[in-house]
Amino acid sequence: AQSVAQPEDQVNVAEGNPLTVKCTYSVSGNPYLFWYVQYPNRGLQFLLKYITGDNLVKGSYGFEAEFNKSQTSFHLKKPSALVSDSALYFCAVRDGKDSNYQLIWGAGTKLIIKP
Amino acid sequence: SAVISQKPSRDICQRGTSLTIQCQVDSQVTMMFWYRQQPGQSLTLIATANQGSEATYESGFVIDKFPISRPNLTFSTLTVSNMSPEDSSIYLCSVQDYLTQYFGPGTRLTVL
Repeated sequence: AQSVAQPEDQVNVAEGNPLTVKCTYSVSGNPYLFWYVQYPNRGLQFLLKYITGDNLVKGSYGFEAEFNKSQTSFHLKKPSALVSDSALYFCAVRDGKDSNYQLIWGAGTKLIIKP
Repeated sequence: SAVISQKPSRDICQRGTSLTIQCQVDSQVTMMFWYRQQPGQSLTLIATANQGSEATYESGFVIDKFPISRPNLTFSTLTVSNMSPEDSSIYLCSVQDYLTQYFGPGTRLTVL
């Protein structure tokens, strides 16, 4: 069965420090992986995706994520956190063989950046 | 990426009434999705709406409760019928564009 796990409900980071939000997945075929961010009282914004190619993908707002096939992970990272990065982050996966385009969503991780 | 708008942005409704949520996209898209999200929680897919075919509902969601229209490639509506307080949630419209889903700002519904 397809699944996504975000093992941390909340991550606390001091401003200026590097941040990591973890995501692991399980799909039967090739994974299409996505990160979204949701600011308070806002819709979801697409950050970045991995479909194929280079394992390190760069996205909006200075975020990047590394696809690790052996560890079935797609952790979100940023070298230097900003207070404005505080938000709810969702990882999602789709099986590349799945023709109905449905995403499987993680539970979300609340990122809190402290000044 | 597609730009998506939703109306209304929020509403407070009485139980037993119905609310229709509109989703407008600035480009033609084949696949549209309707999600429900409790504040601070993950997303639950209600249905997939493709233009020219009946919407496909996920387990736990039925057409009588959540009728969907998809009259053209840029517009869709979701109706929440005979509402109860359990329907209080955020409803999100999403479109598929080059392997990526993009989301509208959401409709925050409160049922009293």
